[in-house]
Amino acid sequence: DGGITQSPKYLFRKEGQNVTLSCEQNLNHDAMYWYRQDPGQGLRLIYYSQIVNDFQKGDIAEGYSVSREKKESFPLTVTSAQKNPTAFYLCASSTLVSGQGSNQPQHFGDGTRLSIL
Amino acid sequence: EDQVTQSPEALRLQEGESSSLNCSYTVSGLRGLFWYRQDPGKGPEFLFTLYSAGEEKEKERLKATLTKKESFLHITAPKPEDSATYLCAVRVYGGATNKLIFGTGTLLAVQP
Repeated sequence: DGGITQSPKYLFRKEGQNVTLSCEQNLNHDAMYWYRQDPGQGLRLIYYSQIVNDFQKGDIAEGYSVSREKKESFPLTVTSAQKNPTAFYLCASSTLVSGQGSNQPQHFGDGTRLSIL
Repeated sequence: EDQVTQSPEALRLQEGESSSLNCSYTVSGLRGLFWYRQDPGKGPEFLFTLYSAGEEKEKERLKATLTKKESFLHITAPKPEDSATYLCAVRVYGGATNKLIFGTGTLLAVQP
């Protein structure tokens, strides 16, 4: 079945440590996204990528980094500069938006919950 | 500033008690409104896309409608398995970016 796989499901970060969250999709989508979900807040966009080897900052990119070396993969690194990393992280993908294609939805993985040790 | 507001924050229904969830938006140019269902500890699951005022979509006990300022998700004769958080998101004009602005969701609990 086609879908988006995020791993690990749970992750713990020590002080001063960088951690990387994995996101793989087999939907043949060009665009991929990372969101952060906190209680009482809507999903907030961290980074997105519309094509391999290119990505753009979202609304809350500080303290995060990404890479897009393959179409299927879009890993997110939470760096030690991110002072409040505890959250539920969601990866999504979609076809590229253009004209009538703008009504195509984003499809989500099942998330990684990151906590601080 | 583009904004999406969902109400109520939480809703408790008895099984079979129909109701509606609201998603109001203030955006510079709407390019699609999306409804998602999210179960605890899971990612959002896509339900509907609405693109223009007057449009309606249905799936089982759910029906989504769209006006120029808001969308409603009507739940007819809900069952306990409909319990979840329902998220609304809008896509706005802004170049090629497929950027979505999400509301904070409505937590629905359906009691047997």
